[in-house]
Amino acid sequence: DAKTTQPPSMDCAEGRAANLPCNHSTISGNEYVYWYRQIHSQGPQYIIHGLKNNETNEMASLIITEDRKSSTLILPHATLRDTAVYYCIVRVAYNFNKFYFGSGTKLNVKP
Amino acid sequence: EAGVAQSPRYKIIEKRQSVAFWCNPISGHATLYWYQQILGQGPKLLIQFQNNGVVDDSQLPKDRFSAERLKGVDSTLKIQPAKLEDSAVYLCASSPGRGGVKFYEQYFGPGTRLTVT
Repeated sequence: DAKTTQPPSMDCAEGRAANLPCNHSTISGNEYVYWYRQIHSQGPQYIIHGLKNNETNEMASLIITEDRKSSTLILPHATLRDTAVYYCIVRVAYNFNKFYFGSGTKLNVKP
Repeated sequence: EAGVAQSPRYKIIEKRQSVAFWCNPISGHATLYWYQQILGQGPKLLIQFQNNGVVDDSQLPKDRFSAERLKGVDSTLKIQPAKLEDSAVYLCASSPGRGGVKFYEQYFGPGTRLTVT
């Protein structure tokens, strides 16, 4: 069911930017891309979402390619507290706006 | 603003026993979700409520799982009888489900970790 593909794990040095890629090649025109993260033993936490324009908030930036088949989540200055599993999700409008979670990317931020 | 509350946080039962989980969503949120998260996997939606009506329960194993949302607020998820493969974290989430840019944004509780032995 998952409509996204992400690398299983990535490493990032503390203080550097973390760039997490996501492939969603079958996305439809009215389907949004959401990013959530899950820190160990907690529920997933909302980060950002977008349709086709790039988005930025206090946590991160979301870059969506022009063809919308892929996106990148950017954490500009990663800290140790950003170590988590990051999920790229497509919200499917025709199916009750269901969230399809993949297996996510485990981001390891190292000192 | 209080978050989504779930209880218990942990539960250990033997196979064939029954178990129930409780969820209290964020006040005013119309939509409530129950997810199952098996170790190493992303959450999988089991059931979605809009107010007190079921919108989608296509992934709910109805021979053993049941859920209700009385008065469109709190919800309970029950498993009877439990199997070994039901060992997982059960997450509850809610979303406003009406007006505004956060219409579909889901807020998750801490989850209940179920171990079936």
